[in-house]
Amino acid sequence: DQQVKQNSPSLSVQEGRISILNCDYTNSMFDYFLWYKKYPAEGPTFLISISSIKDKNEDGRFTVFLNKSAKHLSLHIVPSQPGDSAVYFCASLLETYKYIFGTGTRLKVLA
Amino acid sequence: DGGITQSPKYLFRKEGQNVTLSCEQNLNHDAMYWYRQDPGQGLRLIYYSQIVNDFQKGDIAEGYSVSREKKESFPLTVTSAQKNPTAFYLCASSIRNEVPNTEAFFGQGTRLTVV
Repeated sequence: DQQVKQNSPSLSVQEGRISILNCDYTNSMFDYFLWYKKYPAEGPTFLISISSIKDKNEDGRFTVFLNKSAKHLSLHIVPSQPGDSAVYFCASLLETYKYIFGTGTRLKVLA
Repeated sequence: DGGITQSPKYLFRKEGQNVTLSCEQNLNHDAMYWYRQDPGQGLRLIYYSQIVNDFQKGDIAEGYSVSREKKESFPLTVTSAQKNPTAFYLCASSIRNEVPNTEAFFGQGTRLTVV
């Protein structure tokens, strides 16, 4: 039973445009969400997070939006750069110690 | 520099052999984790440990074993009972379980290939 879902396995965006990566979750007990970026053959690196008491968190070019009623969150990257090309994982923290990850979305930013 | 070190980066083993993957952190983190990544399946939790001398099974623990004798170290043994051991293994740590809403930090991973 996959509790965190990323339904788009890949996304291509032109350089300078906005990238929107989506994530859905099923467990209403989730109250903290994270986005990680991963390059091939490397470990994921933390990008940005959001607590369920907020509906938006922004850090530079990265903004995460949370819609609790829809159990949906999204990561916006604007403007997109070629170096943003990577796999992006959505994750949630369950019971303070268990990180549950989605299957990832491969973003390709075209120059 | 603080961080998580996984070694080796690439590992080859013959089928039927046990193999141990190393994970060391100098971040003074209490919790440590092992994940496995397969194509199209995201990161799946194998084992996690909240404190020294204690660990719990994750979602796919069968065929794996761990130990947590020191706070800094959380080695993973892939046993011959693991049916599909070839994968990319990731170790992670997080600061404290009592501190809510913190991120996990990952090592660079170990690519295990069983031939």
